[in-house]
Amino acid sequence: GEQVEQRPPHLSVREGDSAVITCTYTDPNSYYFFWYKQEPGASLQLLMKVFSSTEINEGQGFTVLLNKKDKRLSLNLTAAHPGDSAAYFCGTGGNNKLTFGQGTVLSVIP
Amino acid sequence: EAAVTQSPRNKVAVTGGKVTLSCNQTNNHNNMYWYRQDTGHGLRLIHYSYGAGSTEKGDIPDGYKASRPSQENFSLILELATPSQTSVYFCASGDAGQFNERLFFGHGTKLSVL
Repeated sequence: GEQVEQRPPHLSVREGDSAVITCTYTDPNSYYFFWYKQEPGASLQLLMKVFSSTEINEGQGFTVLLNKKDKRLSLNLTAAHPGDSAAYFCGTGGNNKLTFGQGTVLSVIP
Repeated sequence: EAAVTQSPRNKVAVTGGKVTLSCNQTNNHNNMYWYRQDTGHGLRLIHYSYGAGSTEKGDIPDGYKASRPSQENFSLILELATPSQTSVYFCASGDAGQFNERLFFGHGTKLSVL
């Protein structure tokens, strides 16, 4: 079945710097991809859901890139701020199944 | 905003004891899920349901049962709890079919089995 590897498990950046979290997946039939954000002590909230037809997806202060050839999904936070400190989970969907990555704990230092 | 409520928020159980984790959603979503979250593993699906009366096995169902008595409620049952089931458990609901959906998560239940 699908396997999703997420790296790094922990990431610490200074305020204003960029942060990149990357996931690789194995199932070529996966057709949609997502990122969830979990702030400390809170539940997971959907950050962005993207479909395989779109390789670049821009949100507020971040970009999600999908490279289908390399089966790689990345979350790029531009100019990180302390409010971005959270755990981030990538994942894939397809074949009636969602598969999550292991998670990345991001710390943004003021 | 979708509301998913889990209870209890924290639970300490003894090995061999029975544990029931409860989940309630007020959004009339058909699909509900139970995940456990462990360091290094992300979220892993235990059981899920397509509606009242339905329960399906997820990726790691061994040692767990589920019950969906109504549209709103979905319970996870550990009949004989073991220390390996110490984890954080998340319930989620979703309103689209075929897993192609946005999930709304509860705040989690931290379970410690001693």
